[in-house]
Amino acid sequence: GQQLNQSPQSMFIQEGEDVSMNCTSSSIFNTWLWYKQDPGEGPVLLIALYKAGELTSNGRLTAQFGITRKDSFLNISASIPSDVGIYFCAGQPLSGTYKYIFGTGTRLKVLA
Amino acid sequence: DGGITQSPKYLFRKEGQNVTLSCEQNLNHDAMYWYRQDPGQGLRLIYYSQIVNDFQKGDIAEGYSVSREKKESFPLTVTSAQKNPTAFYLCASLATGYNQPQHFGDGTRLSIL
Repeated sequence: GQQLNQSPQSMFIQEGEDVSMNCTSSSIFNTWLWYKQDPGEGPVLLIALYKAGELTSNGRLTAQFGITRKDSFLNISASIPSDVGIYFCAGQPLSGTYKYIFGTGTRLKVLA
Repeated sequence: DGGITQSPKYLFRKEGQNVTLSCEQNLNHDAMYWYRQDPGQGLRLIYYSQIVNDFQKGDIAEGYSVSREKKESFPLTVTSAQKNPTAFYLCASLATGYNQPQHFGDGTRLSIL
């Protein structure tokens, strides 16, 4: 099955630093979603993007729907220890079915 | 509160045994999904259902079966034909229509005895 290319796969950062991650695809998507997953839990929706070029914030998180509709970016400002977890992107293709394609995840570790 | 409830949280399967994972939602969502997650990997789609009494295979349906007799419920059976069932299973739902995100339950971890 198709998967998105999400990078980086993992990153260690110092508390207070800003974090950037992205997802790219060879296909056009009409929706991008960003999730955070803690160990042993289900993914929790962080930000939903529905329009090319859209920039949306949720507290210290900001995500953008790429203008080409083939990529999306998530930024976390001033990271804190509870930001630790796995971040997934998901895109909905233009195929007309209610299916999402998921990235392989970015594992974030914050050093206090 | 509205949400998606998966049960049990942990499940153990013996060789040759079928086991069923429960997923219930009270969000009035039309579409429901089952994903499998292996360590260090993304989510892979097993089955999905867009309406009651209808479902489609995802990317890794072999060894699994589902039913959708009620809008609120989408149980997944892991059959003995699934030779490597140890994984974290996630159920999700989605309100059909424009601009609707997918929401997840808290998952069931299945292990082999």
